[in-house]
Formats: sequence, C-alpha cells, structure tokens
Amino acid sequence: SQQGEEDPQALSIQEGENATMNCSYKTSINNLQWYRQNSGRGLVHLILIRSNEREKHSGRLRVTLDTSKKSSSLLITASRAADTASYFCATDASYGGSQGNLIFGKGTKLSVKP
Amino acid sequence: DAGVIQSPRHEVTEMGQEVTLRCKPISGHNSLFWYRQTMMRGLELLIYFNNNVPIDDSGMPEDRFSAKMPNASFSTLKIQPSEPRDSAVYFCASSLVGSTNTRAFFGQGTRLTVV
Repeated sequence: SQQGEEDPQALSIQEGENATMNCSYKTSINNLQWYRQNSGRGLVHLILIRSNEREKHSGRLRVTLDTSKKSSSLLITASRAADTASYFCATDASYGGSQGNLIFGKGTKLSVKP
Repeated sequence: DAGVIQSPRHEVTEMGQEVTLRCKPISGHNSLFWYRQTMMRGLELLIYFNNNVPIDDSGMPEDRFSAKMPNASFSTLKIQPSEPRDSAVYFCASSLVGSTNTRAFFGQGTRLTVV
C-alpha cells in the first residue's frame, strides 16, 4: 500500500533556482528518507531524518519533518542541470513492529534547465 | 563492496514462460526488498525479507509471483507463468535493519518485458 505521496508530481525550474518537493504520509514512522533516481537507474539514498528530528542538512539539501502533519519537504538550493532526476520519499514505518520496511511514494520528477 | 547485484539487467520473454530474477545483497546486510516500478503504479514493495525470512509479502500481486532467500547472499523472484502486465523494472535493495541508519541500497534493476 502507498505510504508516501510526493507533491508536485513534476517540477521544472531554471538552473540556480531552488526546488522544493513535499511528501505526505499516513502512519507513524521511525524515520523518513529521500532518494534520487536518474532515468533507467536504481535509487540512491540522499538523506534520512528520524522521527524525533525536525530539520536536517546535507550540502545543498535541506529536509524538514513535521510529524504532527505527517509531512516532509526536500529543498534543493542553487539547483544544477545535473539535479534533473526523480525524487522519492520513503517511510520506515513503525506500525506492526515492521522497522526497516521501506514504503516509497510515486516521486517528483524534477527538471532543471540550464 | 560491489553493491547490490541484480541479474539479468534485461529480460524479454514470451507470455506464459517462467522468469527468474536474481539478487545478491550487500554482504552483512540483514534485510532484502524486492520492488516493482511502472509508470502507472510507481515503486511498489513486493516482498521484504529480514534475516532470510519473509516478513511482509502483502505486495506480491498473485500466486504467479514467488520469492525465496535461501541464504544471506542470494534471493530470487520468480514469475510463473509470466503475463504482459508483469512488464516493469524490478529492483532489489538491501539494508542493515537494527542499525541507526536503515538506508536502503538499490541494485540497477532488471527490466522485464513480457510479449
């Protein structure tokens, strides 16, 4: 069953602009993760935020988590053409003791134009 | 480490044939996932193993699909008989559950086309 839902489904921006993607989920979680997928390739882990954290940074990435709203956002600052990819959120759900069971959303397709 | 290794990378088969997809997880990881990705349904979790034991197979579409993990270094996903609607990219991923960081590492996927 779908847990995370990303928004928007597609996003097109110019190089240098910031890109913000949102993720909503339904159940309580241990952590939430963001992954990137280049066309035709496997997913690559970007960043993980635990349920007791509210914000996390990694290079040009900033992730926020609001457990009361069951939502997260991924901000990519100063975007580059090489950031063009699909971005997915994944929840490590705590329900039923199934820690480690990663459920992915449908992703946001980001296009960064040079 | 070479990462998660999947084989084959591409598979084209005729409807009704048996298809076997293979996965070698990262050494030392205790969890393995099989996902299916299509344009329509996105990335769906099919089955999740922990310490070689299937924990959640609720995503397996129907009895035509089966997955095994005979040991910590190998897993298979079998479709018998295959149908055109099974055409998708199948990903295997592994992780170390129980650590403070349950990030998953994905293989490159197997693109399955059933004609």
